[in-house]
Amino acid sequence: DGGITQSPKYLFRKEGQNVTLSCEQNLNHDAMYWYRQDPGQGLRLIYYSQIVNDFQKGDIAEGYSVSREKKESFPLTVTSAQKNPTAFYLCATTPNGVKTEAFFGQGTRLTVV
Amino acid sequence: GESVGLHLPTLSVQEGDNSIINCAYSNSASDYFIWYKQESGKGPQFIIDIRSNMDKRQGQRVTVLLNKTVKHLSLQIAATQPGDSAVYFCAETLPGGTSYGKLTFGQGTILTVHP
Repeated sequence: DGGITQSPKYLFRKEGQNVTLSCEQNLNHDAMYWYRQDPGQGLRLIYYSQIVNDFQKGDIAEGYSVSREKKESFPLTVTSAQKNPTAFYLCATTPNGVKTEAFFGQGTRLTVV
Repeated sequence: GESVGLHLPTLSVQEGDNSIINCAYSNSASDYFIWYKQESGKGPQFIIDIRSNMDKRQGQRVTVLLNKTVKHLSLQIAATQPGDSAVYFCAETLPGGTSYGKLTFGQGTILTVHP
């Protein structure tokens, strides 16, 4: 089953902890993205990466960090600096140079306990 | 900043009816638009897209209309089925760059199809 794999599906975090969400893709897409979705809301861009070893902040990057050491992987760390981390997190990919839709993973639901 | 918005947050229809979901966008520079369907607890699924040099595009049971004059986008679903029940988002992207996944999303419309 190819595509984009996000793990875990559900994640619980204690106050003050950092947690890392995984996103792996086998679509050979160059660009990867992290979006956050709050209940009843659209998606908002956290970070994106167009090529390996390079990434840019999106609209709501504060309290988050990413890395892009491999083309296939774009992990997102939710740090303790993110004051309201409870949300649904979605990873997406696109090929570079082609105007086509973004492909999404199935999401990770993060809850602070 | 500018963003995409939706006129109707909820839409209820009977099975077999046609559905129309509307979206207003405010950034006249946006040149690519996508409609996504999202079921509860899942990631968005692509439905159909349209570029700004087009007014209409048809897919299987779906049609997207783009009116650049009034910055309006609509999704028409023919013969709506219970499996169409979901949240529908429109998204826009600006020209430039090489990556088109930097999307600006609207709030979404909840479509409920009654048997």
